Amino acid sequence: EDQVTQSPEALRLQEGESSSLNCSYTVSGLRGLFWYRQDPGKGPEFLFTLYSAGEEKEKERLKATLTKKESFLHITAPKPEDSATYLCAVQAPGGYALNFGKGTSLLVTP
Amino acid sequence: EAGVAQSPRYKIIEKRQSVAFWCNPISGHATLYWYQQILGQGPKLLIQFQNNGVVDDSQLPKDRFSAERLKGVDSTLKIQPAKLEDSAVYLCASSWGAEQDGYTFGSGTRLTVV
Repeated sequence: EDQVTQSPEALRLQEGESSSLNCSYTVSGLRGLFWYRQDPGKGPEFLFTLYSAGEEKEKERLKATLTKKESFLHITAPKPEDSATYLCAVQAPGGYALNFGKGTSLLVTP
Repeated sequence: EAGVAQSPRYKIIEKRQSVAFWCNPISGHATLYWYQQILGQGPKLLIQFQNNGVVDDSQLPKDRFSAERLKGVDSTLKIQPAKLEDSAVYLCASSWGAEQDGYTFGSGTRLTVV
């Protein structure tokens, strides 16, 4: 059975204090690994898709990387507006559905 | 482009009552999903439609949950009768297909069962 584990559950950073969120996964044949951002009261918002080990993608202060067992979401010099829950999900072969982790709740304080 | 529309935004019902949620996907999106997100958890897939056919409903509690997608556009999700553990946010999402750029989610319906 596919499993997605995210750590830490919650993270508090000072503005400008860089850090990383972790997503470890077990899936038979990864089709894609997805990162989403979710603000309170809203649906998840797509950030990145990664397909193979060694792949990296960047968007503003966020950079996602992928290995055969885990993915990292690096946040460089975060700002308070980066505060949100970050969700990781895997897509297995043969389907489009996503299997999500529980998320990491990030709070960035001024 | 208009996003995924869901209604109502909030609903409070008593246990054993019935409730229905509505979703209007992005125009032209063939694939539609209903996810359940319990507080503090990630979304869990309930059902996936491709046009108006069901692709995956393996995690849908079929004794109380039902869903339909008439004419391959709008969809409704119904719970009858509701239980306390059904309290959650019900998210609808849509995509063209395999969607390597991810799905587009609606803002969800927050259901509270008392």
